[in-house]
Amino acid sequence: QKEVEQDPGPLSVPEGAIVSLNCTYSNSAFQYFMWYRQYSRKGPELLMYTYSSGNKEDGRFTAQVDKSSKYISLFIRDSQPSDSATYLCAMSGSGGYQKVTFGIGTKLQVIP
Amino acid sequence: TAGITQAPTSQILAAGRSMTLRCTQDMRHNAMYWYRQDLGLGLRLIHYSNTAGTTGKGEVPDGYSVSRANTDDFPLTLASAVPSQTSVYFCASSDSRGREQFFGPGTRLTVL
Repeated sequence: QKEVEQDPGPLSVPEGAIVSLNCTYSNSAFQYFMWYRQYSRKGPELLMYTYSSGNKEDGRFTAQVDKSSKYISLFIRDSQPSDSATYLCAMSGSGGYQKVTFGIGTKLQVIP
Repeated sequence: TAGITQAPTSQILAAGRSMTLRCTQDMRHNAMYWYRQDLGLGLRLIHYSNTAGTTGKGEVPDGYSVSRANTDDFPLTLASAVPSQTSVYFCASSDSRGREQFFGPGTRLTVL
């Protein structure tokens, strides 16, 4: 079993829809949770960064962490064609330098 | 701000030949990383360096070597390329905590 599981999709939604992207994990030591966005033929870029459980909002994006269920989500409100990309979840432990474990990414297409 | 630059952008290499992928960052980050990204497998860590002068093995280090002579540069060398090393290679950097990683644009390598 992989430490981080993520459905690769693809996920197609109409413009304006609310998108829900999810990851599950097995390592209870993970304390930091990140979402990266990767456009086609580009490098990943950090989108959201949260610590422990709870929600974090940034514009149309909300990151949610449920440590009791080992489940994290990224919600995109009022999705736009420019949101079409692959979204990778990533996680690491706390204290000093910690290796980051990435999900395989979910490919999202927002259709105009 | 350039961030992270990688060279070359793409390369076709004959099996058995050697090649060095270049990576330079201008953010004065202590830590640097090399990942390969393959369809269905996601990002896998090849080698990393927590600080200049030190390197470590990641998840898939075989067939690759790295050096870290200074803070800014982190070259990845394939001593004798094999077709299974066909992939997209990403260089990344972060501060000492390692969680917020900044990625370069990638090098697409095809080994024939």
